[in-house]
Amino acid sequence: DIVMTQSPDSLAVSLGERATINCKSSQSILSSSDNLNYLSWLQQKPGQPPKVLIYWASTRESGVPDRFSGSGSGTDFTLTISSLQAEDVAVYYCQQYYSVPITFGQGTRLEIK
Amino acid sequence: EVQLVESGGGLVQPGGSLRLSCAASGFIFSSSWMTWVRQAPGKGLEWVANIKKDGSEKYYVDSVKGRFTISRDNAKNSLSLQMDSLRVEDTAVYYCVRGFSAEYWGQGTLVTVSS
Repeated sequence: DIVMTQSPDSLAVSLGERATINCKSSQSILSSSDNLNYLSWLQQKPGQPPKVLIYWASTRESGVPDRFSGSGSGTDFTLTISSLQAEDVAVYYCQQYYSVPITFGQGTRLEIK
Repeated sequence: EVQLVESGGGLVQPGGSLRLSCAASGFIFSSSWMTWVRQAPGKGLEWVANIKKDGSEKYYVDSVKGRFTISRDNAKNSLSLQMDSLRVEDTAVYYCVRGFSAEYWGQGTLVTVSS
């Protein structure tokens, strides 16, 4: 199984500042056949189901604000929120869909400082 | 608009059974892999099972193999999860999710396994 490890577990950032969340996979999730990284980032606000923000590691889902961006390749990935807004308070998960079992990171709780 | 509406959750004793259903609308159901993901209270996300567009392939997390069965009815745009031999550790909100990559999530249904 591919293990996904996020860092940090929790993060407090001031409004308007940058937030960075890291995700590391235990093996490469870059496909040699299509040169795509099989990684997505999800946001879960309190009392709500998760919502996909980013897929293929760096493609923003339709309607997601452009302050959210994803980067990385192979085994190391990053979600960046360029200017934190109050509505961004949530738990963020990375997910690999390269192979079954599909696995998630443990989550990173993002709060306002 | 994509809609995924789960039903069938509730309280069940250890060793019991429950069948979850998911009614899908707003997209071509028969063209989508479908997935169940669960979340124990206060915990993270755990992928449970998924099923190919035509139902020909099914995959399960090890902890539910032999106990849970995923199925679909493309004529009725519905997804199911039959859960047998339930354990306390199966207690969670179960989400019906569109796609192999879990791209769109329903609101979830709570399953509580307790005596």
